[in-house]
Amino acid sequence: AQRVTQPEKLLSVFKGAPVELKCNYSYSGSPELFWYVQYSRQRLQLLLRHISRESIKGFTADLNKGETSFHLKKPFAQEEDSAMYYCALSGARGSGNTPLVFGKGTRLSVIA
Amino acid sequence: DTGVSQNPRHKITKRGQNVTFRCDPISEHNRLYWYRQTLGQGPEFLTYFQNEAQLEKSRLLSDRFSAERPKGSFSTLEIQRTEQGDSAMYLCASSALRQGRPVIEQYFGPGTRLTVT
Repeated sequence: AQRVTQPEKLLSVFKGAPVELKCNYSYSGSPELFWYVQYSRQRLQLLLRHISRESIKGFTADLNKGETSFHLKKPFAQEEDSAMYYCALSGARGSGNTPLVFGKGTRLSVIA
Repeated sequence: DTGVSQNPRHKITKRGQNVTFRCDPISEHNRLYWYRQTLGQGPEFLTYFQNEAQLEKSRLLSDRFSAERPKGSFSTLEIQRTEQGDSAMYLCASSALRQGRPVIEQYFGPGTRLTVT
């Protein structure tokens, strides 16, 4: 079974402080991991995916298969980073990837 | 806005009534997904289409729920005999095929918020 766990419902940090949003997953095969973000009054949008290994808005995430984790990090939080963050997983299969499985989300609040 | 659109954005209905939601995906996107999101939860997969074919349905999709994508473009999600437990945000997403393989990245619509009284 596929499962994504985000242990923190709410994370509050001061502006300029480092941020780490935790994500652990359970999947027996080769997963594709994603972070989606939802800003206030906006739709859900893709922030980054592990396969592209890119940095978006200063955020990075590394897939650690040994620890089955995909934590989202940013060295210096900005007020505009305040949003709801969802970790999601898609599993590989012959006909294409499985539909996304989402965690419950973590609300990041950056305090000025 | 050329992104995924959903209508209506809000729907309030009485228990026992039928409701229908519409999703218009990004033009030329082959795959269309429906998710449901309740308070404090992430989106949960309901069903998806590749063109007009419904390829997978979640066990969350009870027999009161039906989804169609008749011409491989827009899709409708109907809920019959609504219950209070159906109150949720219903999200639609679409994705493309590239070189015959599905692109994983999904683009989400704004959602339809259903309230069953």
